[in-house]
Amino acid sequence: DTAVSQTPKYLVTQMGNDKSIKCEQNLGHDTMYWYKQDSKKFLKIMFSYNNKELIINETVPNRFSPKSPDKAHLNLHINSLELGDSAVYFCASSQEFLGLNTGELFFGEGSRLTVL
Amino acid sequence: QKEVEQNSGPLSVPEGAIASLNCTYSDRGSQSFFWYRQYSGKSPELIMFIYSNGDKEDGRFTAQLNKASQYVSLLIRDSQPSDSATYLCAADPNSGYALNFGKGTSLLVTP
Repeated sequence: DTAVSQTPKYLVTQMGNDKSIKCEQNLGHDTMYWYKQDSKKFLKIMFSYNNKELIINETVPNRFSPKSPDKAHLNLHINSLELGDSAVYFCASSQEFLGLNTGELFFGEGSRLTVL
Repeated sequence: QKEVEQNSGPLSVPEGAIASLNCTYSDRGSQSFFWYRQYSGKSPELIMFIYSNGDKEDGRFTAQLNKASQYVSLLIRDSQPSDSATYLCAADPNSGYALNFGKGTSLLVTP
């Protein structure tokens, strides 16, 4: 069974469209994240949810809206897509909120978004 | 902005040599440090974490932490071509926020 699964894995769309990426984890973790990885491999936090509550909301355009219907799911909706939104979006989960435990993030396989 | 800095590389080492990957961080409040490996087209996976000054060994991997110098390193002994990947250093700011990642160092182990 896949621990953290994201759909779709590939997404090609036109500028101005709206798209969503879904994420589910079956690890029983309390915290889920969205990271964006650009073409230079820089992995940057976008959002974090702990038990369905938004904990982190980094400086991200408000065209990006996360939604967590329950602690096993964290979806990302993007409105009015722009060329600069092209990237790989990784969902991740962790046990606790990165206290002094292993701090291990379990990543999904990533969703490669290409905006034309 | 709390930053984690890495040399992007690529770092090229011959098979069997020791690969040394380095990382510095700006947030003195960071307590825990992590090394993730990411193969091309794949997701990052944790290979080591360290939170005490000194060395921590796990098989061919050794993580080193010097909090006074705000410096973390990863040594890979007996490097193999299968070690060729991007290595991401990350710091836990210990303030309830998510890990801060460096931009990664690309390692190439040549046969």
